[in-house]
Amino acid sequence: DIQMTQSPASLSASLGETVTIECRASEDIYSNLAWYQQKPGNSPQLLIYDANSLADGVPSRFSGSGSGTQYSLKINSLQSEDVASYFCQQYNNYPWTFGGGTKLELK
Amino acid sequence: QVTLKESGPGILQPSQTLSLTCSFSGFSLSTYGMCVGWIRQSSGKGLEWLANIWWNDDKYYNPSLKNRLTISKDTSNNQAFLKITNMDTADTATYYCARTFTGDYFDYWGQGVMVTVSS
Repeated sequence: DIQMTQSPASLSASLGETVTIECRASEDIYSNLAWYQQKPGNSPQLLIYDANSLADGVPSRFSGSGSGTQYSLKINSLQSEDVASYFCQQYNNYPWTFGGGTKLELK
Repeated sequence: QVTLKESGPGILQPSQTLSLTCSFSGFSLSTYGMCVGWIRQSSGKGLEWLANIWWNDDKYYNPSLKNRLTISKDTSNNQAFLKITNMDTADTATYYCARTFTGDYFDYWGQGVMVTVSS
């Protein structure tokens, strides 16, 4: 199985700040990576697919980058509605696997 | 408008079989490239992919659950199903169904159904 290691596990940031979340795969996943946002009490929502493509309706302050085994999600100008948990997921190989998640809070 | 909704028993006893239904609208599981998957999340924890069923009836399972999983679909009634045998307290979680189409990522998710395993 491909292991997805996400960091940090939790993060506290101020409004307007830029935040970066990292995801490392145990082997090359060829950009077959998605990022999801999960707000408390809600189901996950797709943010980014294919490592750097923005899903429909997602604000442009969200962006994804990376290749090979290293990927990142960046949130520019943090807004209060961005408080959530974020998960990466690889779909290069079965079984599809998720990162452990990053809980983002406001400072 | 794509929607998915999970339904299940809510609570069951150890060793019982869990049967979940995903009822969806806004797409057809007979469409080329369409897929419905099941994912679960234990309280406050991460996400675990369980199984996928594709438009052509191809099925994929998470080997960590060995032979406990069975996924199926009823295309005519826009439903997908998941059965998990020999349930244990460790299987207590919120179970989600979600769709993939044109790419192997989940673009629409259901609201989830909480399943508690307790004696």
